[in-house]
Amino acid sequence: NAGVTQTPKFQVLKTGQSMTLQCAQDMNHNSMYWYRQDPGMGLRLIYYSASEGTTDKGEVPNGYNVSRLNKREFSLRLESAAPSQTSVYFCASGGGFSGNTIYFGEGSWLTVV
Amino acid sequence: RKEVEQDPGPFNVPEGATVAFNCTYSNSASQSFFWYRQDCRKEPKLLMSVYSSGNEDGRFTAQLNRASQYISLLIRDSKLSDSATYLCVVASIANSGYALNFGKGTSLLVTP
Repeated sequence: NAGVTQTPKFQVLKTGQSMTLQCAQDMNHNSMYWYRQDPGMGLRLIYYSASEGTTDKGEVPNGYNVSRLNKREFSLRLESAAPSQTSVYFCASGGGFSGNTIYFGEGSWLTVV
Repeated sequence: RKEVEQDPGPFNVPEGATVAFNCTYSNSASQSFFWYRQDCRKEPKLLMSVYSSGNEDGRFTAQLNRASQYISLLIRDSKLSDSATYLCVVASIANSGYALNFGKGTSLLVTP
């Protein structure tokens, strides 16, 4: 079972470059999330999508944009990467008003130099 | 006050020991509670949900105290493989959706 799949797993960017992190889930979940995780900071929500066609800002949205392409896919875009965006990014799906658990992808390690 | 607070540890315990973690949350309207486990350089994975009546899964027991707004995780007969970071997760209904708040995690190291 694939669950939540995110790509790429590793990426090095130069400051000012743009890139998109892709995420897809095959569990028919309505809600999807993008988190970043930094040492000592825990998981911080960047953006989430409660359902297809909706997106909302989380705790740390600046410098990012998202697209909920369809129910399965939720992408995260860095328009002009900055060294402060060096982090591990996790996509997740699940949750929702029924209180379901969420499931994470394996993470994307991004370094901005 | 942070939404979800955990003692970061590390908790260093010998194999076979019993260890307990607590987590406090600030939103009294929170509805769902979970413990996740995260291994080094891996994604968080659900360990167990936490129910009002308390629940047990093998060596793991989770408790919820709504009055005092904390949840706990008890691990009995610790194994080396239990070494990981344990994340407390509290969910509540927000204005535009379902808000999940993560604690920063408690680090556990089980030693031979």
